[in-house]
Amino acid sequence: DTEVTQTPKHLVMGMTNKKSLKCEQHMGHRAMYWYKQKAKKPPELMFVYSYEKLSINESVPSRFSPECPNSSLLNLHLHALQPEDSALYLCASSLSQGSSYNSPLHFGNGTRLTVT
Amino acid sequence: GQQVMQIPQYQHVQEGEDFTTYCNSSTTLSNIQWYKQRPGGHPVFLIQLVKSGEVKKQKRLTFQFGEAKKNSSLHITATQTTDVGTYFCAGPSGTYKYIFGTGTRLKVLA
Repeated sequence: DTEVTQTPKHLVMGMTNKKSLKCEQHMGHRAMYWYKQKAKKPPELMFVYSYEKLSINESVPSRFSPECPNSSLLNLHLHALQPEDSALYLCASSLSQGSSYNSPLHFGNGTRLTVT
Repeated sequence: GQQVMQIPQYQHVQEGEDFTTYCNSSTTLSNIQWYKQRPGGHPVFLIQLVKSGEVKKQKRLTFQFGEAKKNSSLHITATQTTDVGTYFCAGPSGTYKYIFGTGTRLKVLA
């Protein structure tokens, strides 16, 4: 089991739908991440929030919109997705980073998204 | 940009055999992390190496960080069916940004 909770576990949506993925952690971590993972590929970084502010956006299309309401919650709003956006979406959290030490990522179970 | 490659891509071993995956970065890394992802699961942190030439052991798993801090390896002694999964190395590329290696998928035949 993981201390990072993601909902829903599975999501099927049409290209005109609007949906949201949710992530929650109560480990006191101040960095939260969204990763996208296609089958048989490594996780790819999408967004990073640090202290509830967006720190990194890896040139993700605007149809993906992240939100960090507070230090424990992270959302990913989805709108007008394409079939190629079908993937496993992983949320992760970590302690804030030092200058030479990167603390481990704690991943949630992920949301398996299918866009039809 | 920075790339992290792993070899082999796939490895099938008989239960009880040893297994090694190698991780190579195009740039020098301040540290390297290893994760395991079971089939249908999520990546789980295994270990972090920081020092040049560092070797760490976790039961049957031995992790090594190269002297030049550009490569790393994970060796599993006497594999078990519970070792099945994909093993990823990950290196930092700036604050908060981790570059995951291409992964090695391990299958263990009973």
